[in-house]
Amino acid sequence: EVQLVESGGGLVQPGGSLRLSCAASGFTFRNYWMHWVRQVPGEGLVWVSEISSDGSGTAYGASVKGRFTISRDNAKNTLYLQMESLRAEDTAIYYCLRKGGWYVDLWGQGTLVTVSS
Amino acid sequence: DIVMTQSPLSLPVTPGEPASISCRSSQSLLDKNGYNYLDWYLQKPGESPQLLIYLASNRASGVPDRFSGSGSGTDFTLKISRVEAEDVGVYYCMQGLQTLTFGGGTKVEIK
Repeated sequence: EVQLVESGGGLVQPGGSLRLSCAASGFTFRNYWMHWVRQVPGEGLVWVSEISSDGSGTAYGASVKGRFTISRDNAKNTLYLQMESLRAEDTAIYYCLRKGGWYVDLWGQGTLVTVSS
Repeated sequence: DIVMTQSPLSLPVTPGEPASISCRSSQSLLDKNGYNYLDWYLQKPGESPQLLIYLASNRASGVPDRFSGSGSGTDFTLKISRVEAEDVGVYYCMQGLQTLTFGGGTKVEIK
């Protein structure tokens, strides 16, 4: 089955760190650009970061640049998001997304990150 | 950054009636390859978003033909020819020309 499964979310204190993972299966992971998008429950979708298919290119949203790092392990079919210096406003559901040549066609089920003392 | 603006914010609909959602971008989404990098997603309650329409007017696999997308450049529209109860949720447009940005969403609910 073609799917993306996120993990690693949870409760963390302000200033803390967390690493999210996204396990891909059912398709050739190394052929796709991947993205992280987040959503505060009940609110809209916000792009967080992207990484090229071979991992050589990355980009970040302004609100996370310098604090978050996206990476991937194509041998393990896994995408990562290392989050540092977490703030209350980073609280959200984090989704990983697969982008083919032209459009995003696959989303994971999401993992909830809560930043609170 | 490209800003995406959707309207309306909320759309009460009667089953069997048509519905239409508008999406406008702050810059043209028409690439020199002739494609408009505008997609539509539906997020049903408690679920992840699912792709409905890609490249402005192409239905994704398995999407009913009552859904259609149109537009080019900066103005786009999603139409549902006859709304069904299962169509409730929040609809988002998304541009993929430069990284990704989303419209604010349109909540479709049954009257």
